[in-house]
Amino acid sequence: AQSVTQPDIHITVSEGASLELRCNYSYGATPYLFWYVQSPGQGLQLLLKYFSGDTLVQGIKGFEAEFKRSQSSFNLRKPSVHWSDAAEYFCAVGAGGGATNKLIFGTGTLLAVQP
Amino acid sequence: NAGVTQTPKFRVLKTGQSMTLLCAQDMNHEYMYWYRQDPGMGLRLIHYSVGEGTTAKGEVPDGYNVSRLKKQNFLLGLESAAPSQTSVYFCASSYGTGGYNEQFFGPGTRLTVL
Repeated sequence: AQSVTQPDIHITVSEGASLELRCNYSYGATPYLFWYVQSPGQGLQLLLKYFSGDTLVQGIKGFEAEFKRSQSSFNLRKPSVHWSDAAEYFCAVGAGGGATNKLIFGTGTLLAVQP
Repeated sequence: NAGVTQTPKFRVLKTGQSMTLLCAQDMNHEYMYWYRQDPGMGLRLIHYSVGEGTTAKGEVPDGYNVSRLKKQNFLLGLESAAPSQTSVYFCASSYGTGGYNEQFFGPGTRLTVL
């Protein structure tokens, strides 16, 4: 069965420090992978997505993610965190194929940014 | 272009009451979804629709019903609310088939069932 694991429930980093959020997936075919961000009291906004081609994908707000098939991972990175990056981050895999277009979400990582 | 909108933003119900959550999108998307978000559990799919007049069950459909009478609207109903349905509900829509299509999310409805 498809699944997404985000092993870190809560991460705290200092402003200006680098960030890496982990995501591992289980999916039999070529996965379609997404990172979404949810600011407090808001809906989810797409940061970036991967479905083919270059395994390093660039997203909005200076984020990037690298798809590693051998490790079944799609970790999110940012070289220098800003206070406004404090939010919850969700990794998701698209259960592609057919007509459903369903997403399976991880449980999320809550990012706190210290001044 | 408002994207995906949800009505209401907040609601408090008593056990056994009914209500309908409305989702509307103005992007002419075929696919629409209802999720619930609970602490530590991420988002779980309740029901979804692949087009006007169609609906299908997701991961956690029990206690909910949906209707898609118009392409732009997707309604989520609770016939007899239970405290276990206290949650934040998100609606989403996407353009087409294939798992690579981005889903666009509404701002959510926070529901409390007493």
